[in-house]
Amino acid sequence: GAGVSQSPSNKVTEKGKDVELRCDPISGHTALYWYRQSLGQGLEFLIYFQGNSAPDKSGLPSDRFSAERTGGSVSTLTIQRTQQEDSAVYLCASSPWTGTGRYGYTFGSGTRLTVV
Amino acid sequence: AQTVTQSQPEMSVQEAETVTLSCTYDTSESDYYLFWYKQPPSRQMILVIRQEAYKQQNATENRFSVNFQKAAKSFSLKISDSQLGDAAMYFCAYCYSGGSNYKLTFGKGTLLTVNP
Repeated sequence: GAGVSQSPSNKVTEKGKDVELRCDPISGHTALYWYRQSLGQGLEFLIYFQGNSAPDKSGLPSDRFSAERTGGSVSTLTIQRTQQEDSAVYLCASSPWTGTGRYGYTFGSGTRLTVV
Repeated sequence: AQTVTQSQPEMSVQEAETVTLSCTYDTSESDYYLFWYKQPPSRQMILVIRQEAYKQQNATENRFSVNFQKAAKSFSLKISDSQLGDAAMYFCAYCYSGGSNYKLTFGKGTLLTVNP
């Protein structure tokens, strides 16, 4: 597609439920990132996918968080047993593999997750 | 670990005036990239300007320019002839060019208000 697409745009869930957030990157972009933006905070790195390589999961805050990327394209971020502190905007971004990171990324509009 | 600090949580400017947003960062690396992103209420992060650390010349993009002081680890954004559409949250970000994941480290942002 023309841009990075994320769905749903907004999600309200009950504490303890599982949620799935979807990201559809720009066609041909091999790098895909997930970031979390909590109220009043900057963006926090969660996970990075590059082609068929093993993902960099170093930013995932707990084992309740997981992500996968199928066919090198669409990615799903799953949060199990959601807690109120998981409430945030989850942003996805993609980038062509330049080998240098010099061009930054293209971001989606994010999913606002509210845990009640 | 790299850190990015934006010391101004909020700034305001009159339409057509000039405003400067501050950013400092901490790193032991010599090769990296710096970015300013804009986040309007739509939530989508938009790349405003980028700077390569090995370049001494300050980057400019139309009304946006930076003052990059590598020794001082300072990277401020100047917006000239401010427009109502410039109102947004602005984030400064750092990317180490020699890393394996090219993740961005963000500051906590500066909320810019443009007064008519």
